[in-house]
Amino acid sequence: EAGVAQSPRYKIIEKRQSVAFWCNPISGHATLYWYQQILGQGPKLLIQFQNNGVVDDSQLPKDRFSAERLKGVDSTLKIQPAKLEDSAVYLCASSIGTGDADTQYFGPGTRLTVL
Amino acid sequence: AQSVTQPDIHITVSEGASLELRCNYSYGATPYLFWYVQSPGQGLQLLLKYFSGDTLVQGIKGFEAEFKRSQSSFNLRKPSVHWSDAAEYFCAVGARHSNYQLIWGAGTKLIIKP
Repeated sequence: EAGVAQSPRYKIIEKRQSVAFWCNPISGHATLYWYQQILGQGPKLLIQFQNNGVVDDSQLPKDRFSAERLKGVDSTLKIQPAKLEDSAVYLCASSIGTGDADTQYFGPGTRLTVL
Repeated sequence: AQSVTQPDIHITVSEGASLELRCNYSYGATPYLFWYVQSPGQGLQLLLKYFSGDTLVQGIKGFEAEFKRSQSSFNLRKPSVHWSDAAEYFCAVGARHSNYQLIWGAGTKLIIKP
C-alpha cells in the first residue's frame, strides 16, 4: 500500500514570496490533515478535511495560509506571503475517517526555510 | 486545558539498555493515546495506540506502553534498545468529542550510546 506522498521535500524562499505544498493521501482515506512542525516542537494542526469539506481550520492563519482539497483526494497548502516564522516542516497526514480505530498516517513532510 | 507533557527533552541510553519515555496528559474526556516515532528526515510513524481494554499495549519494533489512568500517564518502554532506535518520540492524545484531533507533546529525543 502506497503511503502519503508530499512534494516538494524541501523549499527555500525569501520572505514575502509565496509557496505551495502538495499532498496525496492514502487511497480511500477520507480525512486529511495539514500540520506545521516547528523545530523542537510537536506538530500543530493547521487544518482538517473530511472528504472535500473543512472540519476544523481554527488554527490556520487565514490572512496568509490557504488550503483546499478538490474532489476529496489531493490537497494543496499555500502560504502567501511567507514570513520568517513560517520556517517549519509541513506534514500531511490521512486517516480512513474519524472513528475510534483511526490512525493518522504521515507523509515525509516538506521542510520550508524562509530567508 | 488539554495538554500533553513529555518531561524529558533528551534521553541518552546505552545500546542494549532498557528504555522508558514518559508522557503525562491532561484531558477532560476518556483519551485515546498514541506514541509516534520520527527518524531524521522521515515522517511520523505510529508505534502503538491505546483506545480501550488492556492497559498494556504492544507496538511495533518491540515497544510497549502502559496506560495508567490514576497517574494520567502513558509511558513508553523497551527492554533493550538498538542503535536504530535513535529518533524523536512523540506522545499524542485524542478524543472522540474533538474529532479525534491529536494534541501532541513536544517530543523526546533518544540518543543511543554505543
